[in-house]
Amino acid sequence: NAGVTQTPKFQVLKTGQSMTLQCAQDMNHEYMSWYRQDPGMGLRLIHYSVGAGITDQGEVPNGYNVSRSTTEDFPLRLLSAAPSQTSVYFCASSYSSGRAYEQYFGPGTRLTVT
Amino acid sequence: KQEVTQIPAALSVPEGENLVLNCSFTDSAIYNLQWFRQDPGKGLTSLLLIQSSQREQTSGRLNASLDKSSGRSTLYIAASQPGDSATYLCAVLSGNTGKLIFGQGTTLQVKP
Repeated sequence: NAGVTQTPKFQVLKTGQSMTLQCAQDMNHEYMSWYRQDPGMGLRLIHYSVGAGITDQGEVPNGYNVSRSTTEDFPLRLLSAAPSQTSVYFCASSYSSGRAYEQYFGPGTRLTVT
Repeated sequence: KQEVTQIPAALSVPEGENLVLNCSFTDSAIYNLQWFRQDPGKGLTSLLLIQSSQREQTSGRLNASLDKSSGRSTLYIAASQPGDSATYLCAVLSGNTGKLIFGQGTTLQVKP
């Protein structure tokens, strides 16, 4: 298994540009989440999904959209990038049986908005 | 609202010392608690997961304990090594939705 994969690893955007951060998992996990990590702020939840077709907002959802059309994929869309969205983005997945929601994280996408 | 706090924010110890990292949370109604390790510029690696019905979990030189009633968890690292230098994050799962609430982390430096 590849686990949780994220692309790209690094990205530089100009203010106002849009892009999609990709996240995929091959563990058939029900739950997937997006977090951002900022110095002094820790990791904060952006959006999450409890299954295909079901998403909800986390702590810091403004400026981001998500959809979950398949179990495997959970892309994060930045509609109009702003410098405040400069951060490291992590995708995570977990399952609800056996190991009781143990979370697995991807390697992260480092995004800079100029 | 669940809040997670980790103390200290940074810790420096000589190689070979046993050490304890602390994590506290404000709402005892948690589903589980997970300890992660993060190396600079890298992702999160899961170290230990303690379910709400458990008191502790062990993996090698690591031992994590959980006291739900007092809202506290500790991560004990035995015989520390320079390779243990990293940031350690504590996170709690308050419901069955996969949403983790993280502490700010403790950055550990183990000096040779």
